Amino acid sequence: QKEVEQDPGPLSVPEGAIVSLNCTYSNSAFQYFMWYRQYSRKGPELLMYTYSSGNKEDGRFTAQVDKSSKYISLFIRDSQPSDSATYLCAMSVPNTGFQKLVFGTGTRLLVSP
Amino acid sequence: DSGVTQTPKHLITATGQRVTLRCSPRSGDLSVYWYQQSLDQGLQFLIQYYNGEERAKGNILERFSAQQFPDLHSELNLSSLELGDSALYFCASSPHSGETQYFGPGTRLLVL
Repeated sequence: QKEVEQDPGPLSVPEGAIVSLNCTYSNSAFQYFMWYRQYSRKGPELLMYTYSSGNKEDGRFTAQVDKSSKYISLFIRDSQPSDSATYLCAMSVPNTGFQKLVFGTGTRLLVSP
Repeated sequence: DSGVTQTPKHLITATGQRVTLRCSPRSGDLSVYWYQQSLDQGLQFLIQYYNGEERAKGNILERFSAQQFPDLHSELNLSSLELGDSALYFCASSPHSGETQYFGPGTRLLVL
């Protein structure tokens, strides 16, 4: 079993839809949770960063962490064709000076006009 | 733009050859991480350097090596290249706290 599981998709939605992307994990020591967006053949771009449990909102993006269920989510409101990309979740255990990120395999999102 | 730069953008070489990939971290970041991304493996952590010293190793082959220089730029050396080494290689950097990582645009390596 992988430490981090993520549905590879693709997830196809119409423009304007609310998108829900999810990851599950098995290591209860994870405390830092991140979402990266990666366009084709580009470097991953940090979208959201959350420490421990709770919600965090930034514009059209909301990240949720449920540590009791070992489940994290990224919601995208009013999705746009420009949101079409692969979304990677990543998480790590606190360790000063070193952060080994464990990535999900990524979910490919396609937003059609 | 993350502030992390990588050169070259593309590299085409032959099996058995050696190449060097270069990374400059964001201003002020002391940690540099190297990752390999292939279609069937996702993002795989290779190695981390912190202020010139190797801090952690991941799934890095013995044919691969890296170093971080006093000016904090880093180089990843890949030798005796095989077809399976064809992949995207990313560098990331993080602040001292190490809570987040910022990725560069990557180097696409094609081994023929």
